[in-house]
Amino acid sequence: LAKTTQPISMDSYEGQEVNITCSHNNIATNDYITWYQQFPSQGPRFIIQGYKTKVTNEVASLFIPADRKSSTLSLPRVSLSDTAVYYCLGHSPSSNTGKLIFGQGTTLQVKP
Amino acid sequence: ETGVTQTPRHLVMGMTNKKSLKCEQHLGHNAMYWYKQSAKKPLELMFVYSLEERVENNSVPSRFSPECPNSSHLFLHLHTLQPEDSALYLCASSQSGAGRRNEQFFGPGTRLTVL
Repeated sequence: LAKTTQPISMDSYEGQEVNITCSHNNIATNDYITWYQQFPSQGPRFIIQGYKTKVTNEVASLFIPADRKSSTLSLPRVSLSDTAVYYCLGHSPSSNTGKLIFGQGTTLQVKP
Repeated sequence: ETGVTQTPRHLVMGMTNKKSLKCEQHLGHNAMYWYKQSAKKPLELMFVYSLEERVENNSVPSRFSPECPNSSHLFLHLHTLQPEDSALYLCASSQSGAGRRNEQFFGPGTRLTVL
């Protein structure tokens, strides 16, 4: 599984676009990049997953450049309720156990 | 609601007590997980069960004993815990298998305090 590195914390204001970048220099050819969101005292929640280029859903966009050594989670027009910890993880679809390894994550604080 | 429930939501126990945490998933998944999250630390994967068989045990002390009687239920039996075992214990499930996205669905967690 890819080892990922992301900023410990970020601050933003309501209505702004937030981009959180994750580095994964040793990502394997078959690994996907997955992002989870966790609110205090709750379990993490899946946000988005991608392999390369751009993926968009109703919550966020994920940009993965051609070399796949990094990825950027983009949250459009954040609100106070987006304050949470965001985790970037590598996932191997060839794994039968579905094992995920969570790092420190990025604590996003959205201010009014 | 994620389809994964955990009971109890809060538990306070002494170091000599024996208690059990329960997790139930209503999603038809084939894999279940226990994680530990201590204050200001990343989630630590404790155990993985795939098709009711334990496939991962991340060097967890024997005072934590998991049990998976069927694909919908997962237990974590606790005995002679230490105060440093106080944490949020999270259960998750997923439909795992080669080629799958493996989105994990987490329960709300059990907040455990060991006195």
